[in-house]
Amino acid sequence: DAGVTQSPTHLIKTRGQQVTLRCSPKSGHDTVSWYQQALGQGPQFIFQYYEEEERQRGNFPDRFSGHQFPNYSSELNVNALLLGDSALYLCASSSVGLGNNEQFFGPGTRLTVL
Amino acid sequence: GNSVTQMEGPVTLSEEAFLTINCTYTATGYPSLFWYVQYPGEGLQLLLKATKADDKGSNKGFEATYRKETTSFHLEKGSVQVSDSAVYFCALSAGAFWGGSEKLVFGKGTKLTVNP
Repeated sequence: DAGVTQSPTHLIKTRGQQVTLRCSPKSGHDTVSWYQQALGQGPQFIFQYYEEEERQRGNFPDRFSGHQFPNYSSELNVNALLLGDSALYLCASSSVGLGNNEQFFGPGTRLTVL
Repeated sequence: GNSVTQMEGPVTLSEEAFLTINCTYTATGYPSLFWYVQYPGEGLQLLLKATKADDKGSNKGFEATYRKETTSFHLEKGSVQVSDSAVYFCALSAGAFWGGSEKLVFGKGTKLTVNP
């Protein structure tokens, strides 16, 4: 049973560029959440997708956008990259049907903005 | 809004020492509480959880009890090992208004180093 997978593992971009990160949820899960973890900090919630719709959003600017596909996988897009966007981006999946709040995390994508 | 405050690190212990990492929370309603662990260069792994007051979560020798009266969820282990060296995050989550999983709100993390 594959867990949550993310790609790519590492990414280096320059200021002003755009980036797309990808996530495949754990088998049987239908909800995907994205978190940003700056160095030395706890993860911060970006947004959450269920049934291809954004259900919740954290305090992040519109430069951060996302998408969920019919197979439940998800993308996180960040436009006009800033140096401060350098972080580990974590994807977490969960299931509405399970009726609990347990989220399973992927290994993350390390984004470096130069 | 919901928030989590956890003990600042780093914490350095010798093998077989007793571990406590304090965590307190502020939340409306009745959140679920979690401890996650992050090993170097990796994502987060769920260590244990508790979903209601007085519940005790336990896993791999770690324990934490959901104390509503003190709004706390302290992590303990009786005898730590070198392999327990990692960053530990306390987190809470409430049921989402739309019926799914609410976002997780994390503390800042506590780095634990266990020396042989």
